[in-house]
Amino acid sequence: NAGVMQNPRHLVRRRGQEARLRCSPVKGHSHVYWYRQLPEEGLKFMVYLQKENIIDESGMPKERFSAEFPKEGPSILRIQQVVRGDSAAYFCASSPWASGGYYNEQFFGPGTRLTVL
Amino acid sequence: AQSVTQLGSHVSVSEGALVLLRCNYSSSVPPYLFWYVQYPNQGLQLLLKYTTGATLVKGINGFEAEFKKSETSFHLTKPSAHMSDAAEYFCAVSDRSEGAQKLVFGQGTRLTINP
Repeated sequence: NAGVMQNPRHLVRRRGQEARLRCSPVKGHSHVYWYRQLPEEGLKFMVYLQKENIIDESGMPKERFSAEFPKEGPSILRIQQVVRGDSAAYFCASSPWASGGYYNEQFFGPGTRLTVL
Repeated sequence: AQSVTQLGSHVSVSEGALVLLRCNYSSSVPPYLFWYVQYPNQGLQLLLKYTTGATLVKGINGFEAEFKKSETSFHLTKPSAHMSDAAEYFCAVSDRSEGAQKLVFGQGTRLTINP
C-alpha cells in the first residue's frame, strides 16, 4: 500500500519565485491536511481540504499562500513570491472520513523541505 | 482554543534507563491525544493515541502513555531506552467535533540516548 506521497522532497527557490508543493493522499482517502514546521518548532496546522472544497484554512497566511485539492490529481500548496521566512518543512497528511465524530488517523507524508535563498 | 505544552525541549537518558517525556494540554473538553515520532529528515509516525476507553495506552516500540484528566496530562514513557529511540517526539491534540480534526502540536522534545 502506498502511503502519502509528497514531491518534491527538497525545493530551492529564490526570493520572489513561486513554490508549488504536491501531495498525493493514501488511495481512498478524501481528506488532506497541510502543516508547516519551522526550524526548531513543532508542526503548525495550515489548511484542511476535502475534494474540491476547503474545509478549514484558519492556519493559512492571508497572502501569497493558497491550497487546492481537485477532483482528480494531487493536492497542491502554492506559495507565491516566496520570502526567506517561508523556508520550512511542509507536511501533508491524509485521512478517510467517518461520521458521528469518530476519529480517523492522519497519515503523514515525508514532507517537502523548502529553502528560499 | 486548544494548546499543548511539552516540558523540556531536550531530554537525554542512558541506554536502558527510563524514558519520560511530558505533555500537558489545554482544552475545554477532553480531546483526542497523540504522540508522534519524527526521525531526521522524515515524516511523522504515530506512536500511540488516546480516543476513548482505557486511559493507559500502549503503542509501538514499547512506548505507552497515560491520560490523566485531572492533571490534563498525557506523558509518554518507555521502561528501557534503546539507541534507536533517539528522535524528536511530538505530543498533539485534536478536538472531538465531527469534521474538525486538525492536530495541534507541542513544540517537540528531542530525545538523546547515551551509550
